[in-house]
Amino acid sequence: DGGITQSPKYLFRKEGQNVTLSCEQNLNHDAMYWYRQDPGQGLRLIYYSQIVNDFQKGDIAEGYSVSREKKESFPLTVTSAQKNPTAFYLCASSVRDSERSPLHFGNGTRLTVT
Amino acid sequence: GQQVMQIPQYQHVQEGEDFTTYCNSSTTLSNIQWYKQRPGGHPVFLIQLVKSGEVKKQKRLTFQFGEAKKNSSLHITATQTTDVGTYFCAGRRGGSNYKLTFGKGTLLTVNP
Repeated sequence: DGGITQSPKYLFRKEGQNVTLSCEQNLNHDAMYWYRQDPGQGLRLIYYSQIVNDFQKGDIAEGYSVSREKKESFPLTVTSAQKNPTAFYLCASSVRDSERSPLHFGNGTRLTVT
Repeated sequence: GQQVMQIPQYQHVQEGEDFTTYCNSSTTLSNIQWYKQRPGGHPVFLIQLVKSGEVKKQKRLTFQFGEAKKNSSLHITATQTTDVGTYFCAGRRGGSNYKLTFGKGTLLTVNP
């Protein structure tokens, strides 16, 4: 079955450590996205990529970094510079970054930093 | 920047009652999408509205897009316990560089 795989489901880190969240898709989608979700909040866009080797900052990119070396993969690194990293992180993809493409989401990674 | 406001934030109903969530944008949208997120799950795409005044139905769910393309609503008739979850609207402005902006969502709980 095609889909988006995020791993791990739960992740625990100590403050000051960088951590990388994995996102892999086999839907052959060009565009991929990272969103952050906090309780009672909507989804806020961190980074997005429309094509391999290219990505753009979203609304809350500070303290995060990404890479897009392969079409299937879009890992997100939460750096020690991110002041409030504990959150639910959702990866998504779409057929292409057009106005009418719905997003397909992975199951998410819940990151806890203490 | 573009803002999408969604109300109410929470709604608790008795099974069989109707439910409506409203979405308002500060700017005109090219289209609006609706997603449902079950507790502990991830958002799942429900529907997209594109035309001014458009109305679409999915069984007990009715989606509307305002004439000015700045507001939208989702109405559920005769709620069931399976309707529990958070409903998000997400809007896009025109132009390929504009991303989806999500509302904060409405959490629906249903008392059986």
